[in-house]
Amino acid sequence: AQSVTQPDIHITVSEGASLELRCNYSYGATPYLFWYVQSPGQGLQLLLKYFSGDTLVQGIKGFEAEFKRSQSSFNLRKPSVHWSDAAEYFCAVGYGGATNKLIFGTGTLLAVQP
Amino acid sequence: DAGVIQSPRHEVTEMGQEVTLRCKPISGHNSLFWYRQTMMRGLELLIYFNNNVPIDDSGMPEDRFSAKMPNASFSTLKIQPSEPRDSAVYFCASSFDRYSNQPQHFGDGTRLSIL
Repeated sequence: AQSVTQPDIHITVSEGASLELRCNYSYGATPYLFWYVQSPGQGLQLLLKYFSGDTLVQGIKGFEAEFKRSQSSFNLRKPSVHWSDAAEYFCAVGYGGATNKLIFGTGTLLAVQP
Repeated sequence: DAGVIQSPRHEVTEMGQEVTLRCKPISGHNSLFWYRQTMMRGLELLIYFNNNVPIDDSGMPEDRFSAKMPNASFSTLKIQPSEPRDSAVYFCASSFDRYSNQPQHFGDGTRLSIL
C-alpha cells in the first residue's frame, strides 16, 4: 500500500540556518511527489512537485527538493531559513492516474528561532 | 485568479444539527476533493469527484456524511446528524486532471466545532 512518512514531527532551526525536512514514500511505481506548506489558519500551498526528469526540483520561496529513487526519499531543503518559513510542511505522493489522488504524510512543524 | 473558495470559514453548532460545507473550485478544474484534518489522523481524503461524478467515497467515515457536486462550480459536504467527533478542519481542493499530473489547489478550510 502507498504511504508517506515524515519522521520529524517538530523541528526548530535558527533564522539563517539551513533546513532539511525528510520524506520517505512507499509506492510501487514512479510516484508523483509534492511538498505543501500550511500556515496557521490557512489551506495548503504547493511548494514544489516532481513528476519526472531532473531529480532536483526548484519551488517557490527558495525551496528545493531532491528525488532519490534508491532511498525512496524526497527531502525538502532551503539554504537559509527566514522567520516567515515557520509553518507546517506536508509531503504527499500522488497515485491513481488521471485523478491524482494524494496521500499525505503527517507533517513536520517548523519553528524558527531569531 | 480566485482560488478555491470555501464557506463558511468557521462553524460552531450543537450535536445533532445538520451541517453543510460549501466549496467553489477553481474555474476550469474538473477534479474536486474533500479532506478532513485532525490532530489525531492528519489529512484524510474523504471523497473526490471527477467531472462532477463521485469517483471514490471510500474515505467517507459513515452514512452521516454525504457530498454532492451538482455542477462544475459548486460542491457541498453535508453531515447529518453531526457529532462532536466530527469536529475538524475540512478542506476542499481542486485540480485540472487532463494530464494526470496537475497539483491540487486547496481552499482555506472550514473549521467545524460540534458542541
